[in-house]
Amino acid sequence: DTGVSQDPRHKITKRGQNVTFRCDPISEHNRLYWYRQTLGQGPEFLTYFQNEAQLEKSRLLSDRFSAERPKGSFSTLEIQRTEQGDSAMYLCASSLQGLSPLHFGNGTRLTVT
Amino acid sequence: TQLLEQSPQFLSIQEGENLTVYCNSSSVFSSLQWYRQEPGEGPVLLVTVVTGGEVKKLKRLTFQFGDARKDSSLHITAAQTGDTGLYLCAGDVNYGQNFVFGPGTRLSVLP
Repeated sequence: DTGVSQDPRHKITKRGQNVTFRCDPISEHNRLYWYRQTLGQGPEFLTYFQNEAQLEKSRLLSDRFSAERPKGSFSTLEIQRTEQGDSAMYLCASSLQGLSPLHFGNGTRLTVT
Repeated sequence: TQLLEQSPQFLSIQEGENLTVYCNSSSVFSSLQWYRQEPGEGPVLLVTVVTGGEVKKLKRLTFQFGDARKDSSLHITAAQTGDTGLYLCAGDVNYGQNFVFGPGTRLSVLP
């Protein structure tokens, strides 16, 4: 078990471009979460999957953001028409069902120029 | 909207000193976790507390969950430089459907 892995680690893109990030959770974990973290702040919830179903989505998540988990394993987070305000660390986490804590990946740092 | 507050925001101490950081909310949580995060990495779980009034010890770290399950504290005894990092508390809103994080306490332990 290699833990939660995220790809890429860093992404620099120009404003207006689309970007996609990938997360591979711990294999036996059926829950997967995306969070966003800006400098000096704690992680901010974006969305949550249980298996392949997206069960919670933050009101902070604009229509430019979409996440999928097609087979209940890996997940992708796409941001369309990126804006400078999207610059942040995007963290993925997974967990087992019930009172189970989050296991985080090392994040994808997005810089929009 | 559930909010978690953490205090202090920043703390700089000498190696060997003791410290306590706090996590407070007006909301009740099913459980609460403490994480430590280092620059460029994801948060790493330290502990989960579930029962009101619960105290857990992890070597030099002591975690307490408030009786009403709204607040928590982390006490570090004889801090070491390796304890430096961002300490985050996270409240489990609905049995794992959403975790709300505080802004963190940034701890710096000086040699």
